[in-house]
Amino acid sequence: KAGVTQTPRYLIKTRGQQVTLSCSPISGHRSVSWYQQTPGQGLQFLFEYFSETQRNKGNFPGRFSGRQFSNSRSEMNVSTLELGDSALYLCASSLRTGTGELFFGEGSRLTVL
Amino acid sequence: KQEVTQIPAALSVPEGENLVLNCSFTDSAIYNLQWFRQDPGKGLTSLLLIQSSQREQTSGRLNASLDKSSGRSTLYIAASQPGDSATYLCAVRGLNAGGTSYGKLTFGQGTILTVHP
Repeated sequence: KAGVTQTPRYLIKTRGQQVTLSCSPISGHRSVSWYQQTPGQGLQFLFEYFSETQRNKGNFPGRFSGRQFSNSRSEMNVSTLELGDSALYLCASSLRTGTGELFFGEGSRLTVL
Repeated sequence: KQEVTQIPAALSVPEGENLVLNCSFTDSAIYNLQWFRQDPGKGLTSLLLIQSSQREQTSGRLNASLDKSSGRSTLYIAASQPGDSATYLCAVRGLNAGGTSYGKLTFGQGTILTVHP
């Protein structure tokens, strides 16, 4: 059974650009969450999607957005990139929203120059 | 606001030792608690999930306990091996006033474990 798949694994962008990250959950999982991991702040919750609807949102600016498709795949977008957006972005999936065990992907490492 | 603290921040032990990692949280109104390990440059691997109604969970050489009233969880690793070297993270799901989950996980900063041969 395939795990959570995130693409791309690594990317480099410059300030002001935008980026889109993709996440394919474990087959049958309908909830997808996104987290940002940095050395200084640790792991912080971005948002959660279930059945194509955003169910929860963390304390990030509006430059961070996401969506979920009918096949449960999810994308997150960061617009007008800043140096501080450099981080490992982790996607996690679970069977149910808000309650089940979370399974994480390998992450997308974003470097903003 | 939920805060999760993990002690110690780093731990180095010889192979074969039994060890305990600690996790404390400030708000005892939790839905569940999950322990993860993270290898350098990798994602998180789920180790154990404890529901708020449970006291402990076991998987192989790992045993996690939960004392919700005191806001504490421990991860016990028996007979440690060099392959156990990783960062161990504790995360809790909070409960809102209506008794349902907030959904998000609040993570501790992790314990970096090194097991040397």
